[in-house]
Amino acid sequence: QKEVEQDPGPLSVPEGAIVSLNCTYSNSAFQYFMWYRQYSRKGPELLMYTYSSGNKEDGRFTAQVDKSSKYISLFIRDSQPSDSATYLCATKTGANNLFFGTGTRLTVIP
Amino acid sequence: GAVVSQHPSWVICKSGTSVKIECRSLDFQATTMFWYRQFPKQSLMLMATSNEGSKATYEQGVEKDKFLINHASLTLSTLTVTSAHPEDSSFYICSARSPFGRPKETQYFGPGTRLLVL
Repeated sequence: QKEVEQDPGPLSVPEGAIVSLNCTYSNSAFQYFMWYRQYSRKGPELLMYTYSSGNKEDGRFTAQVDKSSKYISLFIRDSQPSDSATYLCATKTGANNLFFGTGTRLTVIP
Repeated sequence: GAVVSQHPSWVICKSGTSVKIECRSLDFQATTMFWYRQFPKQSLMLMATSNEGSKATYEQGVEKDKFLINHASLTLSTLTVTSAHPEDSSFYICSARSPFGRPKETQYFGPGTRLLVL
């Protein structure tokens, strides 16, 4: 079983739609949960992070963690064509290495 | 802050040659850097963890004699692909662990190096 599972998509939505990206993880010891955005032919950039359970909002983006069900979500409101990218969830314990999901390719159609 | 650069951004080489890729943390010191490989439409695959002043730790299945990693300073790690072959063609991405990031100890990624071996 992989440490982190993520639906690879691809996911296509019209501009303005609400996007929901999801991951599940297997290790209950994971404490930090991150979302990276990777544009084509670029390195990943840290988009959001959450510590333990709960929600975190940053502009149009909301990260949500439910540790009881080991479920990680990223919501994008009012999606824009510039949001088209691959979104990778990642998790870790303390200072240890990151475990990545496979990434979900998102296309926002104008 | 927390900027990581890579050089070169892309390289084309003949089969059998060696290629060196540099990874630099520009505005922080990184005791730990990571090297990843990413094939088209696939996620990041960790190749090795590089600690300043010590030998790199390689993931299972990664040949340490083929992928030489040197982390000689707190701001520079290098990956050398020795005797490159077409199957080594990939997107190589480094990351550096920042002691000042949010959350602390998070990884910041370089822009990647695209390697094409003919």
